[in-house]
Amino acid sequence: SQTIHQWPATLVQPVGSPLSLECTVEGTSNPNLYWYRQAAGRGLQLLFYSVGIGQISSEVPQNLSASRPQDRQFILSSKKLLLSDSGFYLCAWSPTDRGLRETQYFGPGTRLLVL
Amino acid sequence: AQSVTQLGSHVSVSEGALVLLRCNYSSSVPPYLFWYVQYPNQGLQLLLKYTTGATLVKGINGFEAEFKKSETSFHLTKPSAHMSDAAEYFCAVSEIGGNEKLTFGTGTRLTIIP
Repeated sequence: SQTIHQWPATLVQPVGSPLSLECTVEGTSNPNLYWYRQAAGRGLQLLFYSVGIGQISSEVPQNLSASRPQDRQFILSSKKLLLSDSGFYLCAWSPTDRGLRETQYFGPGTRLLVL
Repeated sequence: AQSVTQLGSHVSVSEGALVLLRCNYSSSVPPYLFWYVQYPNQGLQLLLKYTTGATLVKGINGFEAEFKKSETSFHLTKPSAHMSDAAEYFCAVSEIGGNEKLTFGTGTRLTIIP
């Protein structure tokens, strides 16, 4: 079966510091991968998605970036964090098989607090 | 463009009572529709989904939803609420033949009154 991991689970960082959040998927090949942010009292905002190694699409202009160095690894980064970057970050994957790729499966999330 | 509206950011029901969480969508093409549940400080778990076929979809934990094209709705129901159902629920839509990106509603927080 497939599993998705995210770490760290919780992170407290000062304004202006760098960020690296990691997401890995096990038990599948060539998944589509997604990063979402969930701010307090809001829904989920899609930040980035990837259909393959090195292929990243950005949905929202911001000071965050994403990379996919390996097939099942997705990294969210920032060079300098802002207060507004605080939130709950969720990674998700979906199959690429025809008839299955519409469903996304979510990781446990990383709670980021920028002070 | 697609969008999702969840009526009621907070819903409270008594234990054993009917749960009804409302979701309306807007899509220019036939949609795929989803309900996810999120427990505190956890990721989202898929409750159920509609792709094609039967419009009444059954999911986990006794929940079900009915796709009504004429009403552009996909309301979530459960006949008898349990304390463990307290969580936040998200409705989402993607487009058949589209790029598999999900558009989420803003969520409904369900509280169960003992």
